[in-house]
Amino acid sequence: GAVVSQHPSWVICKSGTSVKIECRSLDFQATTMFWYRQFPKQSLMLMATSNEGSKATYEQGVEKDKFLINHASLTLSTLTVTSAHPEDSSFYICSAPGTSGLRGPYEQYFGPGTRLTVT
Amino acid sequence: GQQLNQSPQSMFIQEGEDVSMNCTSSSIFNTWLWYKQDPGEGPVLLIALYKAGELTSNGRLTAQFGITRKDSFLNISASIPSDVGIYFCAGQTELISYNTDKLIFGTGTRLQVFP
Repeated sequence: GAVVSQHPSWVICKSGTSVKIECRSLDFQATTMFWYRQFPKQSLMLMATSNEGSKATYEQGVEKDKFLINHASLTLSTLTVTSAHPEDSSFYICSAPGTSGLRGPYEQYFGPGTRLTVT
Repeated sequence: GQQLNQSPQSMFIQEGEDVSMNCTSSSIFNTWLWYKQDPGEGPVLLIALYKAGELTSNGRLTAQFGITRKDSFLNISASIPSDVGIYFCAGQTELISYNTDKLIFGTGTRLQVFP
């Protein structure tokens, strides 16, 4: 089945620094990828839609200058958290749509997530 | 951001019991999906529903797409310890393109199974 990987799986950084998280579709191409943020014991909240070759689409309330998204190829999207602060500490998950092994046209394949801790 | 209302918030059951959880929305959805998330991992798709009224099974799991398109439920029969985790419903409001349609997630149901 389709696999989505994320790197790193966890990262600790100091306040004020920037952190880049990679999301890769390993055996399929994805013109679109989605980035989510999940705080402890909460649901996944969509942050932005990453579009290959064009600008990302951000959800309301998400600062585009703080969360930079680049979708440079059909298998790679990156999320850079700039000038990170402790309140940015969270679990970041990406997903990519692909053809399904289940009945139906597609499913969203999720990466394993990246835990960011800002000290 | 928009979220779906999911209940119950948490469940503590004994191994072998059946489990039922549901998801409701004030908006109509064209697709309902049910995911399971283990701690520190991404969600894994359990069941996908694409048509109102549809009832679909996947092993011990059964899910239904409500007739009104505003709700869905998930049943787990004869629960086992590995069913422990957080279950999320997710919906899509539009069916323009699977490449661009966003998922809206439910608030989650935390399931604990005791032997």
